[in-house]
Amino acid sequence: QSVLTQPPSVSAAPGQKVTISCSGSSSNIGNHYVSWYQQLPGTAPKLLIYENNKRPSGIPDRFSGSKSGTSATLGITGLQTGDEADYYCGTWDRGLTAWVFGGGTKLTVL
Amino acid sequence: EVQLVESGGGLVQPGRSLRLSCAASGFTFDDYAMHWVRQAPGKGLEWVSGISLSSESIAYADSVKGRFTISRDNAKNSLYLQMNNLRAEDTALYYCAKGADYVETRIDYWGQGTLVTVSS
Repeated sequence: QSVLTQPPSVSAAPGQKVTISCSGSSSNIGNHYVSWYQQLPGTAPKLLIYENNKRPSGIPDRFSGSKSGTSATLGITGLQTGDEADYYCGTWDRGLTAWVFGGGTKLTVL
Repeated sequence: EVQLVESGGGLVQPGRSLRLSCAASGFTFDDYAMHWVRQAPGKGLEWVSGISLSSESIAYADSVKGRFTISRDNAKNSLYLQMNNLRAEDTALYYCAKGADYVETRIDYWGQGTLVTVSS
């Protein structure tokens, strides 16, 4: 049971938009920045979004992040088959004094 | 270019110990917190431990507290994880990951991982 709650899977057609939610509490998302990671099959996770809505250099603006209260959302527009991956949210939890991740969401581009 | 190369994984019997290492390059190692994150086969990410740039702040997941010890050698640009009293549920791919200025802030780069299998 993950501290952060994500939907197990989402799907959409190529070219469409999808959003992935991440729900937490005041101990984590409510008081700390959220990061999002993409894990392509068989590879290490890669940072997509940090500090709720900032993109590292090299990450296309098709990827966006937002936060409201104790929830965060990752948005992906112009879906491509290469976006098929597992996506994880992560943040610090001040109550646990530990980093916590969501359970992951598998994106399928139909 | 940031590079993180883990080593030290392998097959180990329950109750035994293993020490993982991570060689870092491409950034000023002693300016950043570092982490270990693991992923059991077919499962999600689980943070294991983090250490601040000067080792003054260290945190562990409850699942490994008292059994695992994180450390770093800034002179050698290296991160370590001493794992004692290993259990079957510790079987996972262990990633070394680069943090930011504090353990609480973002994790931004990941190595390719080293596989630890705990089995008799």
